[in-house]
Amino acid sequence: EAGVTQFPSHSVIEKGQTVTLRCDPISGHDNLYWYRRVMGKEIKFLLHFVKESKQDESGMPNNRFLAERTGGTYSTLKVQPAELEDSGVYFCASSTIEGVGNEQFFGPGTRLTVL
Amino acid sequence: AQSVTQPDIHITVSEGASLELRCNYSYGATPYLFWYVQSPGQGLQLLLKYFSGDTLVQGIKGFEAEFKRSQSSFNLRKPSVHWSDAAEYFCAVSRRGNKLVFGAGTILRVKS
Repeated sequence: EAGVTQFPSHSVIEKGQTVTLRCDPISGHDNLYWYRRVMGKEIKFLLHFVKESKQDESGMPNNRFLAERTGGTYSTLKVQPAELEDSGVYFCASSTIEGVGNEQFFGPGTRLTVL
Repeated sequence: AQSVTQPDIHITVSEGASLELRCNYSYGATPYLFWYVQSPGQGLQLLLKYFSGDTLVQGIKGFEAEFKRSQSSFNLRKPSVHWSDAAEYFCAVSRRGNKLVFGAGTILRVKS
């Protein structure tokens, strides 16, 4: 069974440009989470989808970030326009609805560098 | 608000030596507790988790952790470290089905 995949693995863009990150969760996982780790800081929650609905977007830093999950399968996270402080590693995770603990399975992350 | 403290940013141990990584949490109720490990170029992998019951939990790769409610701690241990254990370790807390709140991580170096 394929794990959580993320694309691209690395992205280097200029300040003011737009970048779109993609996450493909494990098939059948209704929960999808986005997290971010800025260099030197802890991993922080951005938002949580249940199927195609945003369950919790309390961690989204500002309106330059837009997340979508059309059809309840893969998700995209768009940053427009990108700023220097957006640099970091963006992780996606998925989990099932049922089961104790709802273990979240993480992808390898997308390293975003904004110059 | 939930928070997790990992007081050690870096730890270096000799191969074969025992290991203990510290984790303290702040949470209003009994949380779900996790330890994840990230090796270079990899995603986070779950080592073990605690929800209820026996306070000593066993995980993968020979790791274990003990939940101590009185100390709000969930320290990770391994009796004998291998060079392949060199990685970054994250303690995390959540409520069921909700977001994970992570500590800052502890980088483990293993010297031969």
